[in-house]
Amino acid sequence: DTAVSQTPKYLVTQMGNDKSIKCEQNLGHDTMYWYKQDSKKFLKIMFSYNNKELIINETVPNRFSPKSPDKAHLNLHINSLELGDSAVYFCASSRRAGVASYEQYFGPGTRLTVT
Amino acid sequence: AQKITQTQPGMFVQEKEAVTLDCTYDTSDPSYGLFWYKQPSSGEMIFLIYQGSYDQQNATEGRYSLNFQKARKSANLVISASQLGDSAMYFCAMRGSNDYKLSFGAGTTVTVRA
Repeated sequence: DTAVSQTPKYLVTQMGNDKSIKCEQNLGHDTMYWYKQDSKKFLKIMFSYNNKELIINETVPNRFSPKSPDKAHLNLHINSLELGDSAVYFCASSRRAGVASYEQYFGPGTRLTVT
Repeated sequence: AQKITQTQPGMFVQEKEAVTLDCTYDTSDPSYGLFWYKQPSSGEMIFLIYQGSYDQQNATEGRYSLNFQKARKSANLVISASQLGDSAMYFCAMRGSNDYKLSFGAGTTVTVRA
């Protein structure tokens, strides 16, 4: 009964391909996030959805498109993959957006390698 | 905007000793939360401890405690009685009351020696 799950865990693909990463949480949380961890381990927010509504859209190339079919799922689709997209992508969730005290629970991460 | 600074890229600690990981932050938000996460070599992000800006007492969770000094804008993590399993990267993070995202520091790698 994993709280936040992501598939796949590893993704190796070639430049120019399109790929998707799926995320599901069974915690009943309202808010979900995508973070990117680069090769230097730095974590940065990409997107956030609150009850299926996009609330954070940081400076991310248009090739990245999140989709939230319901509040338990947040998927990330990446078009025309580039070498610089290689990173670990984390999905996370929290009880409610805009409340400083609510911790975020992270999925196991998806290691994307673009060759 | 929130800014988190972790100045120690790596630390070594002897098993059973305590270690303090530094974290300073900058924000104009009067209400905020401070978090510490652990990332072992397996890669997952594990929530450790939370401190609210209005909390009067320092947070504690088992062997983890947070040394919160609001005036100095610091939120150091103390791990007592270190164990080999504590070897990991540790991230300090912050979230303002009007902020939906966590802002992370660069992380500190802790290596526990037997």
